[in-house]
Amino acid sequence: QLVLTQSPSASASLGASVKLTCTLSSGHSSYAIAWHQQLPEKGPRYLMKLNSDGSHNKGDGIPDRFSGSSSGAERYLTISSLQSEDEADYYCQTWGTGIVVFGGGTKLTVL
Amino acid sequence: QVTLKESGPALVKPTQTLTLTCTFSGFSLSTSGMRVNWIRQPPGKALEWLARIDWDDYKFYSTSLKTRLTISKDTSKNQVVLTMTNMDPADTATYYCARMDTGSSGLFEYWGQGTLVTVSS
Repeated sequence: QLVLTQSPSASASLGASVKLTCTLSSGHSSYAIAWHQQLPEKGPRYLMKLNSDGSHNKGDGIPDRFSGSSSGAERYLTISSLQSEDEADYYCQTWGTGIVVFGGGTKLTVL
Repeated sequence: QVTLKESGPALVKPTQTLTLTCTFSGFSLSTSGMRVNWIRQPPGKALEWLARIDWDDYKFYSTSLKTRLTISKDTSKNQVVLTMTNMDPADTATYYCARMDTGSSGLFEYWGQGTLVTVSS
């Protein structure tokens, strides 16, 4: 079964970097994912597509501070030079034939 | 510029049928490769995929909700409609429509702003 697992919360200081993790279920380590950002009381926003080899394609207007990487079944979103406006929920998403799966989301707090 | 906007009732009663409309611009659902989805998010909870309709009228549904969902499109109006039968308070959520990218992946490249639906008597 295709499942994405995310830690419920993360925190980091203003100006620092943070690395969020999304883990694919067993047998699905080759899958690409997408990262989405959801600001408080807003709809989600597409950040990037992240492939199993770590290559990624960002959406329009996404700052260079946002980057992605991969290792095995894990997919990472790194945000550097954290700003207060980065405080949001971050969701990973993947897909199969006729199905779509979301992770449970990580709430990022900028201290 | 691609935009999507959801509309529908803010309040429905238990057992009623919900009808939501996604009105979009910046693309045509008659163009090969176009795919529009519905996703929902209960208050304080994660996103949940519901259904998808493709340019060629192929349809896909969430396994857990497929008996209650119907997705359709009106290409001339640039609209996608979702109906959900037998509404329950547990269906209270913000409902989003989103367009997948034009390639072969299933990522959501464009999202609507969402519409909150409350199920209560």
